[in-house]
Amino acid sequence: DILMTQSPSSLSASIGDRVTITCRASQTINTYLNWYQHKVGKAPKVLIYGASFLQSGVPSRFSGSGSGTDFTLTISSLQPEDFATYSCQQSYSTPYTFGQGTRLE
Amino acid sequence: QVQLQESGSQLLKPSQTLSLTCAVSGVSIDGGAYSWSWFRQPPGQALEYIGNIYDSGITDYNPSLRSRVTIAVDKSKDQFSLVLTSVRAADTALYYCTRGAQSISGYSFFDHWGQGALVTVSS
Repeated sequence: DILMTQSPSSLSASIGDRVTITCRASQTINTYLNWYQHKVGKAPKVLIYGASFLQSGVPSRFSGSGSGTDFTLTISSLQPEDFATYSCQQSYSTPYTFGQGTRLE
Repeated sequence: QVQLQESGSQLLKPSQTLSLTCAVSGVSIDGGAYSWSWFRQPPGQALEYIGNIYDSGITDYNPSLRSRVTIAVDKSKDQFSLVLTSVRAADTALYYCTRGAQSISGYSFFDHWGQGALVTVSS
């Protein structure tokens, strides 16, 4: 299985901050990398697919980059509704695997 | 508006069978071009892929669970199901159903999720 490692595991930030979360794959996954937002009691939401494509309806302050084994999710100006947990997921091969999550607080 | 809803939370004893259904609304499950999947998240751990059923009916299961899991679709009811046999404490988790989509450029991702159903396995 492909191991996905995120850092940091938690991040303290303020409204308006620029935030960057990283994700590393244990082997190359090209750009088969998705980012999700999780809030307690709510359905997870896909933000970015294919490493850099913004899912329809997702605010443009979210962006993704990277290829191979190293990826980043950036929130350009943190908004109150962005405090959540973020996780990366590789779609290069099954079993699909996720990072352990980054809690933004 | 596409919505997925898992059936209710469960408390099971070791060796029992877990059965969950996912009701799909806002789109026909037989509409093609999508897959239907199950994931789970044990307390304090990362999300784990359980398996997938494609519109062709072909299934794909996580090798770690393959001997115990079955995913099926009921097109007449617009729902799909998960059966996991011989459960143990390690199967305690929040179980999610999802829809898998594919972009024009060929990237797969999960664009609609249920809110999750808590399954607890305890003697």
